[in-house]
Amino acid sequence: DIEMTQSPLSLAVTPGEPASLSCRSSQSLLHSNGYNYLDWFVQKPGQSPQLLIYLGSTRASGVPDRFSGSGSGTDFTLKISRVEAEDVGVYYCMQALYSSLITFGQGTRLEIK
Amino acid sequence: QITLKESGPTLVEPTQTLMLTCTFSGFSLTTTKVGVGWIRQPPGKALEWLALIYWDNDKRYSPSLENRLTITKDTSRNQVVLIMANMDPVDTATYYCVHRRSVPVADTVFYFFDYWGQGAHVTVSS
Repeated sequence: DIEMTQSPLSLAVTPGEPASLSCRSSQSLLHSNGYNYLDWFVQKPGQSPQLLIYLGSTRASGVPDRFSGSGSGTDFTLKISRVEAEDVGVYYCMQALYSSLITFGQGTRLEIK
Repeated sequence: QITLKESGPTLVEPTQTLMLTCTFSGFSLTTTKVGVGWIRQPPGKALEWLALIYWDNDKRYSPSLENRLTITKDTSRNQVVLIMANMDPVDTATYYCVHRRSVPVADTVFYFFDYWGQGAHVTVSS
């Protein structure tokens, strides 16, 4: 299995301030086609997860541009340029390099100070 | 508008077989490059991918659970069924049904999970 490790496990941010979440994989997610098979999801309290970013850096439809994904290979980052109260939740990274070996990270809990 | 809804028993006894049904609307599993997956989440824990089925009946399973899982589709009813055998208390979780969308980029097709069901809570206990 490809193991996904997220850090920190929890993060408290003041509204309006930036946040940076890290995700590392045990092997490279960079396919020979040049794309990284890494997605980001957020699970807000009491809700189902929702897609934020796919292919490492492409925002899903309707996702505010304060969210951005970056990184390549084994190191990835999700950045929120200005945290808002509605961003509270648990953020998960997921790799799908091989369609039969999809794995998630353990999640980073984002709280508001 | 794509929607998915999971249904099935809320309580299952150890060693029993669980059958969950995902009933969806807003898309068809006869459309090329479309899939439906199952993902679960034990209470207070992370997400775990279980299985996928695609429009062409290609099926994928988590290696750690493959010998216990069966995924099937009924395109006439717009349903996907997940069967998990030999249930154990550690299988207590919320089970999500998820739409897998494709997007063409250059000469490649990529997939991602975009629409999720509300989840079905399943407790395994005697």
